[in-house]
Amino acid sequence: DTEVTQTPKHLVMGMTNKKSLKCEQHMGHRAMYWYKQKAKKPPELMFVYSYEKLSINESVPSRFSPECPNSSLLNLHLHALQPEDSALYLCASSPSTLGRPTEAFFGQGTRLTVV
Amino acid sequence: AQSVTQLGSHVSVSEGALVLLRCNYSSSVPPYLFWYVQYPNQGLQLLLKYTTGATLVKGINGFEAEFKKSETSFHLTKPSAHMSDAAEYFCAVSVPQAGNMLTFGGGTRLMVKP
Repeated sequence: DTEVTQTPKHLVMGMTNKKSLKCEQHMGHRAMYWYKQKAKKPPELMFVYSYEKLSINESVPSRFSPECPNSSLLNLHLHALQPEDSALYLCASSPSTLGRPTEAFFGQGTRLTVV
Repeated sequence: AQSVTQLGSHVSVSEGALVLLRCNYSSSVPPYLFWYVQYPNQGLQLLLKYTTGATLVKGINGFEAEFKKSETSFHLTKPSAHMSDAAEYFCAVSVPQAGNMLTFGGGTRLMVKP
């Protein structure tokens, strides 16, 4: 199983809503990532979890709150978002943030629209 | 710090023609290099990677890339374009000293004309 599964695929939320994005992998990877991708741009790194601990937060606003309940799951909790937060949110995983780099495996993304 | 530059945000080729997507990197240590493809509203799929060893790397869907240290390049090629190759292509670099984070280039949109 070399898949990273993200749910939901599409999400429309109001600015006062609270919602969560979910990501799951069963490849035994110990590094998991959240990226934000705006149209016609490369993915921008938001958060990195290494061995279930937050290792990198790229100065992301607090209305985005990541959580890694176990080595297979990664969540992104959303609250009081702004319309400019509308984007494709990508989850990825890789074996580790240590040692030799390897490729990251990406999910299909969640298309988020904030209204 | 490492960086990636993809020359040409849009490339258009005719079906059956050679595909050449350019990628140049900057890194103070030996880099690991990747090409990813992204179809509309999809995630990123790995096409190929260079880690160590052979500098000519073959990937999926008939793509290949050559690592040229002297030119700090990792250009992606395919001998004959197919309509299904139309997509966004991202070159990325990773180094152990940066926690193996991927640094992406700006992307190149490949269009294939019939």
